[in-house]
Amino acid sequence: AQSVTQLDSQVPVFEEAPVELRCNYSSSVSVYLFWYVQYPNQGLQLLLKYLSGSTLVESINGFEAEFNKSQTSFHLRKPSVHISDTAEYFCAVSEDSNYQLIWGAGTKLIIKP
Amino acid sequence: EAGVAQSPRYKIIEKRQSVAFWCNPISGHATLYWYQQILGQGPKLLIQFQNNGVVDDSQLPKDRFSAERLKGVDSTLKIQPAKLEDSAVYLCASSLFGGYNEQFFGPGTRLTVL
Repeated sequence: AQSVTQLDSQVPVFEEAPVELRCNYSSSVSVYLFWYVQYPNQGLQLLLKYLSGSTLVESINGFEAEFNKSQTSFHLRKPSVHISDTAEYFCAVSEDSNYQLIWGAGTKLIIKP
Repeated sequence: EAGVAQSPRYKIIEKRQSVAFWCNPISGHATLYWYQQILGQGPKLLIQFQNNGVVDDSQLPKDRFSAERLKGVDSTLKIQPAKLEDSAVYLCASSLFGGYNEQFFGPGTRLTVL
């Protein structure tokens, strides 16, 4: 992947509201797609990934992301956010020919009570 | 299972000084990565090791940065001499194998160069 774009540096939402964090990438070959999350004062950890198969992937804590090849996107969604979802979310992409991860700049999810 | 350990957590130095960071990956993980994360940006890969061999160091500024992974376990990253633009968080990650396997990250070392 040549680049990964996360257009929103911060997304404020009210608790229990839905949220979408956007991720677009540029690549002309097959890709693998990842969302990592960094909770306050913790290291990055994998949230979910798309390698092949179903284009809709889910995490254990209610997030989902859909791979859209035509739009080169991998947006992250949650129908109802909780205060514990406060974190920075990073989208990352690697190409089939080169597994190096290319990272977006991150989106801070801010939950308003 | 113990996670990826890094030390120190914070370091403040003056420009032209030297600094070293240490990383201990998860036991049994063959692949180790060093990333640089500048404020407001995503991580950038500096170097990737497979056991004690270098897989990719294309983005490592070799005139000032060096890294080693002796015996295929612990790793150190050194900067000599440091520049102001080296101020960043340095992340270490490990995975069982390379490829698209999940990477496990340490807490990072925040370096400030004055």
